[in-house]
Amino acid sequence: KAGVTQTPRYLIKTRGQQVTLSCSPISGHRSVSWYQQTPGQGLQFLFEYFSETQRNKGNFPGRFSGRQFSNSRSEMNVSTLELGDSALYLCASSLALQANYGYTFGSGTRLTVV
Amino acid sequence: DAKTTQPTSMDCAEGRAANLPCNHSTISGNEYVYWYRQIHSQGPQYIIHGLKNNETNEMASLIITEDRKSSTLILPHATLRDTAVYYCIVKGAQKLVFGQGTRLTINP
Repeated sequence: KAGVTQTPRYLIKTRGQQVTLSCSPISGHRSVSWYQQTPGQGLQFLFEYFSETQRNKGNFPGRFSGRQFSNSRSEMNVSTLELGDSALYLCASSLALQANYGYTFGSGTRLTVV
Repeated sequence: DAKTTQPTSMDCAEGRAANLPCNHSTISGNEYVYWYRQIHSQGPQYIIHGLKNNETNEMASLIITEDRKSSTLILPHATLRDTAVYYCIVKGAQKLVFGQGTRLTINP
């Protein structure tokens, strides 16, 4: 079956612009999480959605937002981009919010802010 | 707020077993131990998970101590393609919290 699909794979934006990243989970998965990975901070949790509701949020400024649609697809948006937002953004999906259900990750979107 | 402690780096010879330790002394009764690995900025790849019993799959074995305060991931016959950063994660009902992981290098 198809895995987690993230689009686009690569993106270059200018400081001050905004960007929207997309994630299509594995068919049947209802939970989608987003992570930011940078060399200095490692993998940091952004937020998690389940059935169109945000269930968890990490310690990121309000410029980072997300949403989940009725088909479980998710988007995250970053407004007023800063140079420090350059990172690999990873999306992961899970069947349910239970301890014994793991997450499957996509290949990520590499965002470069110039 | 990662709840695990792992060595920063380890080396292993190709063909030998790689044993990666992890301490999770504050694990709760309903939390699972998960292992993921990440190869050169690809998305993390699920390896194995367990609650209290030892687990084995086609990739690895997971040994969890009886008190559940530590675990060991075993790659039985390491190959060069197993070179990666390995993350040990304690997970409840929601989200994965990644620590810094162990950078495992398999040497020929």
